[in-house]
Amino acid sequence: DIVMTQSPEYLPVSLGARAIIQCKSSQSVLYSSNNKNYLAWYQQKPGQPPKLLIYWASTRESGVPDRFSGSGSGTHFTLTISSLRAEDVAVYYCQQYYSAPFTFGPGTKVHI
Amino acid sequence: EVQLVESGGGLVQPGGSVRLSCAASGFTFTNYWMTWVRQAPGKGLEWVASIKEDGSEKDYADSVKGRFSLSRDNGKNILSLYIQRLRAEDTAVYYCARAGRGPQSSSWLDSWGRGTLVAVSS
Repeated sequence: DIVMTQSPEYLPVSLGARAIIQCKSSQSVLYSSNNKNYLAWYQQKPGQPPKLLIYWASTRESGVPDRFSGSGSGTHFTLTISSLRAEDVAVYYCQQYYSAPFTFGPGTKVHI
Repeated sequence: EVQLVESGGGLVQPGGSVRLSCAASGFTFTNYWMTWVRQAPGKGLEWVASIKEDGSEKDYADSVKGRFSLSRDNGKNILSLYIQRLRAEDTAVYYCARAGRGPQSSSWLDSWGRGTLVAVSS
């Protein structure tokens, strides 16, 4: 199984500041035949289901603000919130969909 | 609008069983892999199982193999998860989610229901 890790576990950020979340996979999730990274990011606010933010490691889902961006390849990935807004307070998860079981990272709690 | 509505959760005794359902609407159900993800209270997300659009393929997490059974009724647009021999560690909110890539198992999850809580306790 591919093990996903995230850092930090808790991330205090000031309003308007940049937030950077790291995600690592225990093996590469880059599929050589199509050169795509099978990595997604989700946001979960209290009492709500997760919401898809990013897929293919860097493709923003429709309707997601452009202050959210994803980068990285292979085993190291980053989610960046360029200018934190109050409504971005949430837990953020990465997930690999390269191979079953499609494991999630443990989450990073972003707070102000 | 895509809608996924889970039901069937509740308080169940250890060793018991429960059937969860997910009613799908707003999209062509038969074009999508579907997935269950669970979240224990205060914990992270755990992928549980996925099923191919025609039901012919299923993948399960090792932690649930042999006790969880996934099925779908494409005539009624309903996804089901049957859980038997329930344990305390199965206590979680169970979410139904749609595969964003449609007929591909290796996919992100682009739409989620609000979940149904299964609490295992005597």
